[in-house]
Amino acid sequence: ETGVTQSPTHLIKTRGQQVTLRCSSQSGHNTVSWYQQALGQGPQFIFQYYREEENGRGNFPPRFSGLQFPNYSSELNVNALELDDSALYLCASSPQIANEQFFGPGTRLTVL
Amino acid sequence: GIQVEQSPPDLILQEGANSTLRCNFSDSVNNLQWFHQNPWGQLINLFYIPSGTKQNGRLSATTVATERYSLLYISSSQTTDSGVYFCAVSMYSGGGADGLTFGKGTHLIIQP
Repeated sequence: ETGVTQSPTHLIKTRGQQVTLRCSSQSGHNTVSWYQQALGQGPQFIFQYYREEENGRGNFPPRFSGLQFPNYSSELNVNALELDDSALYLCASSPQIANEQFFGPGTRLTVL
Repeated sequence: GIQVEQSPPDLILQEGANSTLRCNFSDSVNNLQWFHQNPWGQLINLFYIPSGTKQNGRLSATTVATERYSLLYISSSQTTDSGVYFCAVSMYSGGGADGLTFGKGTHLIIQP
């Protein structure tokens, strides 16, 4: 059984650019959540997708958006990148809402 | 929102020692997970334990939901146990998302 995968592993962008990060959920999982982890901090919840619909988000501005596809894979899009967006972005999938979440290896984004 | 406090923030032990990590949370939860984050950033699931006690090899965990705390026990520590340990919680009440709220982590160093 394949676990959660994310791509790319590393990414460097400049301020003002846009970025798309990708996540493939674990087989049989229909719920995907995205988290941002700044250096030295715990991960912070960005938003969650359930059956292709966003069903809740944390304290992140609208320039953070996403999609979930029919195969339950997901994208995180960030527009108008800021220096503070530099972080490790983690994707997690779960079999249903309110279940154990399983994390991918993350994408490390650097904004210059 | 729910607040999560982990203690101690840092812990340095000799190989073979035992340790107890604590997680306090401010409100009722129906999801509590313990993770170990390796040096590459991967969050490894240790326990899904909204209540009760579980054991897995040298690791065990106990959550007392009524008193709003959880404990992670590591016995006979090995150098490979080094890393950051996170506690994360959520409360799903039938609508919206169940994004996890993380503590700041306990940074554990096991010296040979």
